[in-house]
Amino acid sequence: DIQMTQSPSSVSASVGDRVTITCRASQGISSWLAWYQQKPGKAPKLLIYAASSLQSGVPSRFSGSGSGTDFTLTISSLQPEDFATYYCQQANSFPPLTFGQGTRLEIK
Amino acid sequence: EVQLVESGGGLIQPGGSLRLSCAASGFTVSSNYMSWVRQAPGKGLEWVSVIYSGGSTYYADSVKGRFTISRDNSKNTLYLQMNSLRAEDTAVYYCARFRRGLQFAFDIWGQGTMVTVSS
Repeated sequence: DIQMTQSPSSVSASVGDRVTITCRASQGISSWLAWYQQKPGKAPKLLIYAASSLQSGVPSRFSGSGSGTDFTLTISSLQPEDFATYYCQQANSFPPLTFGQGTRLEIK
Repeated sequence: EVQLVESGGGLIQPGGSLRLSCAASGFTVSSNYMSWVRQAPGKGLEWVSVIYSGGSTYYADSVKGRFTISRDNSKNTLYLQMNSLRAEDTAVYYCARFRRGLQFAFDIWGQGTMVTVSS
């Protein structure tokens, strides 16, 4: 099974900051990676697919990059509504599909 | 409007059975890959099962042999039959559309249904 490891597990930032979250796969997954945002009590929301493609309707301040084993999600200028938990998910080799453990983005 | 609505969760004793339903609107379940993902209280996301448009099914090792994913094309509904439930199955269960065209990302999610396994 492919293990997905996110870092950091939590991060504090302020409105307007630039934030980067990292996801590392235990083996190469090409660009078969997605990013999700989840707010408390809500279902996850797809932000990025294919490592760097922005899902329809997602603000352009979100961007993704990487291939192989190392990936990043960047929020260029944090907005109040961006404080949430973020997950990466690999789809290169399944079953099983695997998610990272999550990164909680908190207000500083 | 494209949406998924889950139902069927609740409180169940260990060893019991429960069937979750996920009604789709705005698209056809049988033409898509569909999946169940769960989230234990305060924990991360865990993939549970997937059914392909062709009917093939796959499961996480943690539920294999106990859970069965299926669909009813006439009702445009996805199901998850859960048997021999354990305390560690306690979670919010989400159904989601698993899009091949988005390099296998989950693009539509239901609101989730809570399953609590406890005596």
